[in-house]
Amino acid sequence: DTEVTQTPKHLVMGMTNKKSLKCEQHMGHRAMYWYKQKAKKPPELMFVYSYEKLSINESVPSRFSPECPNSSLLNLHLHALQPEDSALYLCASSQESRRNSYEQYFGPGTRLTVT
Amino acid sequence: SQQGEEDPQALSIQEGENATMNCSYKTSINNLQWYRQNSGRGLVHLILIRSNEREKHSGRLRVTLDTSKKSSSLLITASRAEDTDSYFCATRTQGGSEKLVFGKGMKLTVNP
Repeated sequence: DTEVTQTPKHLVMGMTNKKSLKCEQHMGHRAMYWYKQKAKKPPELMFVYSYEKLSINESVPSRFSPECPNSSLLNLHLHALQPEDSALYLCASSQESRRNSYEQYFGPGTRLTVT
Repeated sequence: SQQGEEDPQALSIQEGENATMNCSYKTSINNLQWYRQNSGRGLVHLILIRSNEREKHSGRLRVTLDTSKKSSSLLITASRAEDTDSYFCATRTQGGSEKLVFGKGMKLTVNP
């Protein structure tokens, strides 16, 4: 199974709502990532989890809260978002290594609209 | 600023022709990867080339890396309509970070 799944596919939320994005992989990968992608732009890294611990936070506002409950799951909790946070949110996973590097497997993304 | 810069930003060719995309970067890298993406969906990994490699092949794909010029190129031979997509290069810098930095991307259109 080389698939990364993400739910929901689409999400519309108001600025006062609380919602969560979910990501799952069963490839035994120990590194998982959240990216944000605006239209016609490249993906921008938000967070990296390595062995279920947060290893990189790219100065993301606290209204985005990541969580890694176990090695297969990655969540992104959303609260009090702004319209400019509307984007495609991509989850990815890879084998984890500090010395080498491996390809990342991406999910199809959640298209988020903040109204 | 983006680590990788693809050149050209958009390319339109006929089926059967070769497509070449270039990527330049600024810092020392551990490796460089190429991905494709369809209509804002998830990215698909194409090929990874390490900093000590100069050329790599995978099917119709050929990637070169010139670390002295901090540049890479992706060649797709005998293009097909289904190669139409956006293509990104991404670099992992030296130092052990898992961070990938993506270039701005390039839109390839292969006309039947």
